[in-house]
Amino acid sequence: KAGVTQTPRYLIKTRGQQVTLSCSPISGHRSVSWYQQTPGQGLQFLFEYFSETQRNKGNFPGRFSGRQFSNSRSEMNVSTLELGDSALYLCASSSGLKDYGYTFGSGTRLTVV
Amino acid sequence: AQSVAQPEDQVNVAEGNPLTVKCTYSVSGNPYLFWYVQYPNRGLQFLLKYITGDNLVKGSYGFEAEFNKSQTSFHLKKPSALVSDSALYFCAVRRISGGYNKLIFGAGTRLAVHP
Repeated sequence: KAGVTQTPRYLIKTRGQQVTLSCSPISGHRSVSWYQQTPGQGLQFLFEYFSETQRNKGNFPGRFSGRQFSNSRSEMNVSTLELGDSALYLCASSSGLKDYGYTFGSGTRLTVV
Repeated sequence: AQSVAQPEDQVNVAEGNPLTVKCTYSVSGNPYLFWYVQYPNRGLQFLLKYITGDNLVKGSYGFEAEFNKSQTSFHLKKPSALVSDSALYFCAVRRISGGYNKLIFGAGTRLAVHP
C-alpha cells in the first residue's frame, strides 16, 4: 500500500512569507502528526490531528497551525516565516489503535532566506 | 515528565562486528518504545517497537532491541554490522497524556560502520 506522501519535498521562502505543507497519510489511517527536525533542537512535536480534530499541540508559537480534512489529509501552515523556521518537517501517520506505530513521510525541507 | 536519552552522539563499528546503540527512558506507567533510522535527506524509517511481551524485540534489517525494565533501557543491537547501516538512529517513547499521544525522541545517535 502507498506510504505517507509529503509535498513539496523542498521549499525556499523569504522571511515574512507564509508556507503550507501537505501530508497524505496511509489509506485508512485517521491520525496525522507533525514534527519539526532541526540540528539544534532535534525532533520536536508540533501537533496531532485525528478525525479532523487537533488532539494535541506542542510548544510552538501560534504562527504554526494545521488542519485535517475529511479524507485524513493534513496541512500545516507557518505564517510570518523566520530564519529559525528552516527545518525538515515530518509528517507521521498512524491508525490510532492502542498498540499502533507511526509511519513517517520523507519530509519537506523548508529553507527560509 | 517523560524523556529519552541517547548517551552517545556517535558510535563507530567495524563491518562485521556487533553493534549496540544505547537508549534509556523515563516514563510513568508502561512504556511504548520505538527505534527509527534516518538516512540523509530522508524521513524516519521504523525499525521496531516494544509495547508488551517478550523483552527481546526483533525488527527490520536484522536489528533487535532488548527492553530492560529495571535499567529503564531499550538498546538497539545487531549481530553483524553492514556499511549500509551507517545512518542516524532515534529512540522514542510514546507519551500518552489525557488520552492523546505523541512521540518523544532522543537526540539521535549517528552510527558509522567502517569497511
